Amino acid sequence: QSVLTQPPSASGTPGQRVTISCSGSSSNIGSNTVNWYQQLPGTAPKLLIYGNNQRPSGVPDRFSGSKSGTSASLAISGLQSEDEADYYCAAWDDTLSGYVFGTGTKVTVL
Amino acid sequence: EVQLVQSGAEVKKPGESLRISCKGSGYSFTSYWISWVRQMPGKGLEWMGRIDPSDSYTNYSPSFQGHVTISADKSISTAYLQWSSLKASDTAMYYCARRSYDSVGYYYDYWGQGTLVTVSS
Repeated sequence: QSVLTQPPSASGTPGQRVTISCSGSSSNIGSNTVNWYQQLPGTAPKLLIYGNNQRPSGVPDRFSGSKSGTSASLAISGLQSEDEADYYCAAWDDTLSGYVFGTGTKVTVL
Repeated sequence: EVQLVQSGAEVKKPGESLRISCKGSGYSFTSYWISWVRQMPGKGLEWMGRIDPSDSYTNYSPSFQGHVTISADKSISTAYLQWSSLKASDTAMYYCARRSYDSVGYYYDYWGQGTLVTVSS
């Protein structure tokens, strides 16, 4: 079972801003950086945000991440149809000595 | 260009053994850990464990410890995930991923294309 909790779904119309939350604990988000992954239908996950708020080369600046205490969030501004995907937060967990993923959020563009 | 290329889909019977592979190229294979991630049908991502290819040190998620074995052959830049006795519940897509580390922490920056394992009698 995942130790990072995300809402199962989020949606918006093209151009809107969508925010996804990720709730953890002191042993994971509270003491380590958060990463976000995007998984388009039928494809492998792709790194979207690392180090809480860093974008890898090639990721549009419409995607942004933030962290506060034991929670993190991903924001997608100017939502586009190609953003329809599953999004996962993740972090190292010091207690489990392993990497943990969030439960995942399916983003739908209406 | 960094690439992780995984072996092809497998169909096995319960009780059979299996080893799937992940070949790295375009970078120094021994400089980055490789992890394996499971995704059961219609479900989320689960971290299974990791290996340091430079010395084959491994650690596993408690959920997978004892059920799978992660290994690597640095001479051919390949990591492996293996089962000695498959169960129907092992049916899933399995991804390998390269772990990077810098001043902002750990993250998985490159992923394999996935290997679908189907276990059915």
